[in-house]
Amino acid sequence: NAGVTQTPKFQVLKTGQSMTLQCAQDMNHEYMSWYRQDPGMGLRLIHYSVGAGITDQGEVPNGYNVSRSTTEDFPLRLLSAAPSQTSVYFCASSRDSGGGNSPLHFGNGTRLTVT
Amino acid sequence: GDSVTQMEGPVTLSEEAFLTINCTYTATGYPSLFWYVQYPGEGLQLLLKATKADDKGSNKGFEATYRKETTSFHLEKGSVQVSDSAVYFCALVNTGNQFYFGTGTSLTVIP
Repeated sequence: NAGVTQTPKFQVLKTGQSMTLQCAQDMNHEYMSWYRQDPGMGLRLIHYSVGAGITDQGEVPNGYNVSRSTTEDFPLRLLSAAPSQTSVYFCASSRDSGGGNSPLHFGNGTRLTVT
Repeated sequence: GDSVTQMEGPVTLSEEAFLTINCTYTATGYPSLFWYVQYPGEGLQLLLKATKADDKGSNKGFEATYRKETTSFHLEKGSVQVSDSAVYFCALVNTGNQFYFGTGTSLTVIP
């Protein structure tokens, strides 16, 4: 059982470049989300989705786009990378689409550096 | 809005010492509360959870009790091991679709 798979594990970009962080889960979870983790700030929610075709903004959505065409995949796009987007990015999924008892299942993260 | 506050680290303990990591929350209604653990180079893993007041979550010797009167969910372990060295996150989820995390507390256990 693979759980939540994120690719790549590491990425270096130059300012202004674009890229897509991939996230896939094989647990048939309805809820998927993206977080960034920065020192001293914990995890901050970027975007989330409660099901295929539905996405919404989290706490820090600027500079990022998402789409959810299938239940399994939830890619995160950086259209024009900035040094402020240097961070570790985590994808997480959950069985329930709203609150409740279901915990989040996390991928192993993507460490992104923007120079 | 909803939020979680946890004690700042880093925390350094000797093996077999008692551990407490404080966590308090602000939320309307009755959120579910979680503790997650992050080992180096990995994603977060669920450690334990509690879904209503006075519930006690427990796992791997760790415990936390959901105290609505003090809006707290402190993590405790009676005897820590070197393998417990990690970063610990307190989190809540309410009736909306967002999880709220604390800033994390780094624990190092020395032999």
